[in-house]
Amino acid sequence: GAGVSQTPSNKVTEKGKYVELRCDPISGHTALYWYRQSLGQGPEFLIYFQGTGAADDSGLPNDRFFAVRPEGSVSTLKIQRTERGDSAVYLCASSLSVAGPAYEQYFGPGTRLTVT
Amino acid sequence: QQQVKQSPQSLIVQKGGISIINCAYENTAFDYFPWYQQFPGKGPALLIAIRPDVSEKKEGRFTISFNKSAKQFSLHIMDSQPGDSATYFCAASRDAGNMLTFGGGTRLMVKP
Repeated sequence: GAGVSQTPSNKVTEKGKYVELRCDPISGHTALYWYRQSLGQGPEFLIYFQGTGAADDSGLPNDRFFAVRPEGSVSTLKIQRTERGDSAVYLCASSLSVAGPAYEQYFGPGTRLTVT
Repeated sequence: QQQVKQSPQSLIVQKGGISIINCAYENTAFDYFPWYQQFPGKGPALLIAIRPDVSEKKEGRFTISFNKSAKQFSLHIMDSQPGDSATYFCAASRDAGNMLTFGGGTRLMVKP
């Protein structure tokens, strides 16, 4: 079946610009997670949604970062006034639930963001 | 604060050998420990995971060993193959569906 998809696969933007990154989770998955992976490092948690609401946004680095999931499916990560330090691969993951046997997180291929 | 420490950073193993990657965690509230495999340009893929109520879990050539008292767990890849060459990440979370805290990764190269 279809896995987690993310668009665009690559995004190059200038410092100070606004960007939106999209995640389509696996159909039926209620939980959705955003992580950021810098070169040569492990993914770092940003935010996760259970349904439409943000269950934990403690990983967002500052108020330039915001994410939404208005209908409980697709999510958009929004970054305002981008900085060169925002350059990284942004990963999205989804899981069927956050409890019981179906909590495994499945990752998409990521969006590589480069801020010039 | 790095809550999950992974070693080694890189590992070279001959085909057919055993690859061993170690992780140590600090947060005793962690109760779910997955391992992910990542190929260049791809997202991490779940390999195998363990809960602290068991000391070992095996799936095919992959085995997790877990030592709760030492707060350590490891991944063993038996009969390593060149196709296993990838970056491996350990992770941990509190209440399985919660956010994952990842280790720094181990780049494994299996030589033919």
